[in-house]
Amino acid sequence: DSGVTQTPKHLITATGQRVTLRCSPRSGDLSVYWYQQSLDQGLQFLIQYYNGEERAKGNILERFSAQQFPDLHSELNLSSLELGDSALYFCASSPRADNSPLHFGNGTRLTVT
Amino acid sequence: TQLLEQSPQFLSIQEGENLTVYCNSSSVFSSLQWYRQEPGEGPVLLVTVVTGGEVKKLKRLTFQFGDARKDSSLHITAAQPGDTGLYLCAGVTVSGTYKYIFGTGTRLKVLA
Repeated sequence: DSGVTQTPKHLITATGQRVTLRCSPRSGDLSVYWYQQSLDQGLQFLIQYYNGEERAKGNILERFSAQQFPDLHSELNLSSLELGDSALYFCASSPRADNSPLHFGNGTRLTVT
Repeated sequence: TQLLEQSPQFLSIQEGENLTVYCNSSSVFSSLQWYRQEPGEGPVLLVTVVTGGEVKKLKRLTFQFGDARKDSSLHITAAQPGDTGLYLCAGVTVSGTYKYIFGTGTRLKVLA
C-alpha cells in the first residue's frame, strides 16, 4: 500500500460530460503529481502541485484543470470529455518538490462512451 | 521535448532466462528511477541511481546508470513469473523545478 488514495476507482461517462478525480497524498507529502496513462503513450505528466500551489505543467489540455487544497488533497477536473480522454489517471505524491521517489495511487480508470 | 526510449517494448521469456531492458535519452538527468507496474496498480519504485556509472543490485535485478547520465539499463538474472509486469524508467531533470520524464515502458512476461 503506497499510502496514496485515489477515488473513484472506475468512472464511466459520456462525451461532453465533466468529471472530478480525487487524490489524497501520503501523510506528510506536500507534492502531488497527476499523470495520464493510455495504452499507446505510457505515462504522460499532466501537472504538479506543491503545498497548494501549481509547480509545473506538462501536457495538460485546456479542458483539464486541477487544484490542491489546504489539507493537501488534490482534484483533477476533466470537462467536455472526448472519447480520446479514456485512460488511466494516476496521482503520485512525494515529500518535497525535488527528486524524491514518487508514490503512486492505484489510479482512476476513466471510460468515455 | 525530452524523450526516454525504452527497449524492447515487449518481452516474453521462459522462467530462468536472463534479460536486459534499456532506457535511452539524448538528455542528461540528475538521477534516474526504475518503477514496476502490475495490472490494476500504480507504478512502484524499484531503485534510484544518481551517479554516472553507478550500479545497484536488488536481489536478481541489477541497475546501471550510464557514465554520461543519459541512459540506464536493468538486467534481470534467472527471471521468475513474479517478475512479470511493466517496467518504467523515469529520468529526473532540474530546470527551475524538478521534472520526471517517464520512459515508454517495457512489458515483460515470464512464462513458467
